[in-house]
Amino acid sequence: DSGVTQTPKHLITATGQRVTLRCSPRSGDLSVYWYQQSLDQGLQFLIQYYNGEERAKGNILERFSAQQFPDLHSELNLSSLELGDSALYFCASSVQGLGNEQFFGPGTRLTVL
Amino acid sequence: DQQVKQNSPSLSVQEGRISILNCDYTNSMFDYFLWYKKYPAEGPTFLISISSIKDKNEDGRFTVFLNKSAKHLSLHIVPSQPGDSAVYFCAASRGFLYSGGGADGLTFGKGTHLIIQP
Repeated sequence: DSGVTQTPKHLITATGQRVTLRCSPRSGDLSVYWYQQSLDQGLQFLIQYYNGEERAKGNILERFSAQQFPDLHSELNLSSLELGDSALYFCASSVQGLGNEQFFGPGTRLTVL
Repeated sequence: DQQVKQNSPSLSVQEGRISILNCDYTNSMFDYFLWYKKYPAEGPTFLISISSIKDKNEDGRFTVFLNKSAKHLSLHIVPSQPGDSAVYFCAASRGFLYSGGGADGLTFGKGTHLIIQP
């Protein structure tokens, strides 16, 4: 158990809808990262937050957004969903200043029908 | 353009022998490298890492070697055990040396499925 929690575990929705994925980092970790794992693209970095501020952006679509709250939990919002958004979404957390070891949650499997 | 490549989709090794997983990268800005292990329906589990100022790092049965001139790293598992059967991902990041660490997302390879034969 990495100490990173994600909810929900599974999510099934329809095209055009909007969903929110939630992540709680390990105790003491200030950074949260979001990744998407799809069959064809592998694990892709989406976005990073550090202590409530956006820190780095990867291949995140404009339809997707994220935020980190004062209690350090994070939410990833996916809107106008398309079939191609079906994937595993992972959250990871790390302690800044101690290298780049990131610890991953169990993931949320999103299915868009 | 794949910046981190794991050219072997799968590898089969006898229990007790050495497993060697390879990874190549193209971006010379990468200065921190990690290996993760992943079981189906679970998140990646951190195994071992190495910064670009070292060429070797060891942790128990796991050793990572970095050859910066060849832009190549490898993970050695000795001895291999049945519980090592999983998908192994190589990952890289930049900014460790220049920003105090932890400032970037990881770029992952596509993974190598390691199968340990009894």
